[in-house]
Amino acid sequence: GAVVSQHPSRVICKSGTSVKIECRSLDFQATTMFWYRQFPKKSLMLMATSNEGSKATYEQGVEKDKFLINHASLTLSTLTVTSAHPEDSSFYICSARPRSSYEQYFGPGTRLTVT
Amino acid sequence: AQTVTQSQPEMSVQEAETVTLSCTYDTSESDYYLFWYKQPPSRQMILVIRQEAYKQQNATENRFSVNFQKAAKSFSLKISDSQLGDAAMYFCAYWKYGGSQGNLIFGKGTKLSVKP
Repeated sequence: GAVVSQHPSRVICKSGTSVKIECRSLDFQATTMFWYRQFPKKSLMLMATSNEGSKATYEQGVEKDKFLINHASLTLSTLTVTSAHPEDSSFYICSARPRSSYEQYFGPGTRLTVT
Repeated sequence: AQTVTQSQPEMSVQEAETVTLSCTYDTSESDYYLFWYKQPPSRQMILVIRQEAYKQQNATENRFSVNFQKAAKSFSLKISDSQLGDAAMYFCAYWKYGGSQGNLIFGKGTKLSVKP
């Protein structure tokens, strides 16, 4: 089956620093990738959608200058949390969709803790 | 706008018994997909079952089956012969048909506990 990886699985950073999370589709080309945020015991909240080679589309209320998304290739998307604050601490999940498919394959998630 | 509602925040079932998780949705579209995802304590999202709206036959995957009522916009998940490994958060999700665009719309989830 299709596999999506995320790196790192856990990261702790200091307030004010930036942290990058990678999302890779390992055995398929992902024309579209999605980034979600999940608070404890809550559902997934879509942050942004990125299509390879174009700018990401952010959901309302998500700061695009704070959450930088790059989808530079058909197998890699990155989420950079800039000038992180403790309130950015959360679980971030990516998913990837192959071309002309309705299936979304999810990564294992990244737990970000900002101290 | 499309919405997905899961009215049961928590459910409990005895091992080997059957449990049904409810999901309703609101849409004006006629072509769409519905999904149930499982999120165990590892937090990895796992696709349990999918249903294409144009198919009248209810989808089944081993011990998992759905009751899809298109007119009522209802999409419940039945888990038969429940196992301890079924304990997880279950999310109902909607996706509008139309190529590669669009994104999943999730319900708030139901936490399922399985008692030995």
